Amino acid sequence: AQKVTQAQTEISVVEKEDVTLDCVYETRDTTYYLFWYKQPPSGELVFLIRRNSFDEQNEISGRYSWNFQKSTSSFNFTITASQVVDSAVYFCALSEGGGPQGGSEKLVFGKGTKLTVNP
Amino acid sequence: NAGVTQTPKFQVLKTGQSMTLQCAQDMNHEYMSWYRQDPGMGLRLIHYSVGAGITDQGEVPNGYNVSRSTTEDFPLRLLSAAPSQTSVYFCASSQGDPGPYEQYFGPGTRLTVT
Repeated sequence: AQKVTQAQTEISVVEKEDVTLDCVYETRDTTYYLFWYKQPPSGELVFLIRRNSFDEQNEISGRYSWNFQKSTSSFNFTITASQVVDSAVYFCALSEGGGPQGGSEKLVFGKGTKLTVNP
Repeated sequence: NAGVTQTPKFQVLKTGQSMTLQCAQDMNHEYMSWYRQDPGMGLRLIHYSVGAGITDQGEVPNGYNVSRSTTEDFPLRLLSAAPSQTSVYFCASSQGDPGPYEQYFGPGTRLTVT
């Protein structure tokens, strides 16, 4: 069965600090996809990244970076030089591969990590 | 494009009442789904659809019905509301096979059952 664990329930940092949000997943499939979503205080869900299990390259997008390690089943998210606008709940999610047609769209979410960035 | 729209934004129901949460998307996406978000629980999949006329159950389907008569619309029906269904409900859509692609979420419906 699929499972996503975000062990950090809440994190509080001061602006300009770097912060890493942990995500550990469980799946029996060899093909799967990992996602991160952001939910700011306004409540909408914003897509951040999608990564498939065959692509272990780390990704950097501005102040955001993602570290995918299959050996430890982790897909961690780092925000460099955090800003107040980064305050949000961050969700990691997993979907399993569906074979030649691609992956399943069914997402299993972690419980989320609430990040507070203080000025 | 409006993206994914949900109505209503807020709703209060009494136990035993029924209602339909509306969801529509204008991106011609094949895949649509409903999630519920409860404090400390993340999002859990209720029902999903891979195309018009095709629906299936997710992780927490009990007490909910769906149908998909058009590509655009995917309503969620609460048959007999219970306090345990107090939650925030999100509808999402994505392109579908071959996927999975980014899912676009609606703004949510906050439902309270008293």
